[in-house]
Amino acid sequence: EVQLVDSGGGLVQPGGSLRLSCAASGFTFSTYAMSWVRQAPGKGLEWVSGISDSGDDTSYADSVKGRFTISRDNSKNTLYLQMNSLRAEDTAVYYCAKDVTTVTTGWFDPWGQGTLVTVSS
Amino acid sequence: DIQMTQSPSSLSASVGERVTITCQASQDISNFLNWYQQKPGKAPKLLIYDASNLEPGVPSRFSGSGSGTHFTFTISSLQPEDIATYFCQQYENLPLTFGQGTRLEIK
Repeated sequence: EVQLVDSGGGLVQPGGSLRLSCAASGFTFSTYAMSWVRQAPGKGLEWVSGISDSGDDTSYADSVKGRFTISRDNSKNTLYLQMNSLRAEDTAVYYCAKDVTTVTTGWFDPWGQGTLVTVSS
Repeated sequence: DIQMTQSPSSLSASVGERVTITCQASQDISNFLNWYQQKPGKAPKLLIYDASNLEPGVPSRFSGSGSGTHFTFTISSLQPEDIATYFCQQYENLPLTFGQGTRLEIK
């Protein structure tokens, strides 16, 4: 069974940093692109970042470009999101999602259970 | 960025009723559109890909249609377990964008 387990969320002060992780199992992690998608409380979905199967190609939403870095360790079947210079508007549940090909297409199936990031003083 | 305008934002319907949600793209996205279902406190689940193809295991009462800029999502006979928020999403190009969601309730 394909499974994605998100972790690393928590409470952080504005300007602080946090690293999210997504542990994958049940599929050949190194052959699929992955993405992070977030959802602010009571709001809709916002794609944050994507990474190709090898990790060579990355892409970001303008709202996080220059502050967030997506990466992956295929030897550990784990996806990461390093979040720096956090702002109140970054408060959201962050989901990792498996793409259906080697590059970011936006066809996500399945998603992790999500991890809550709260940016507040 | 491609803007996705979804309507209505909320909908109340009776069990057995036919339900329709629409999604309008700000530019031509061909058929590069997905529909997701999100139940309260859960992650989204892919229901329909390429505008009209049903994911394996998804009940046949769900369907999608459309191409270009106008898309429709239909539940032919609403069931109690269909209570959720539904999102459209374009993947014609980056950044990937979602509709604002339609919250479906039982009347």
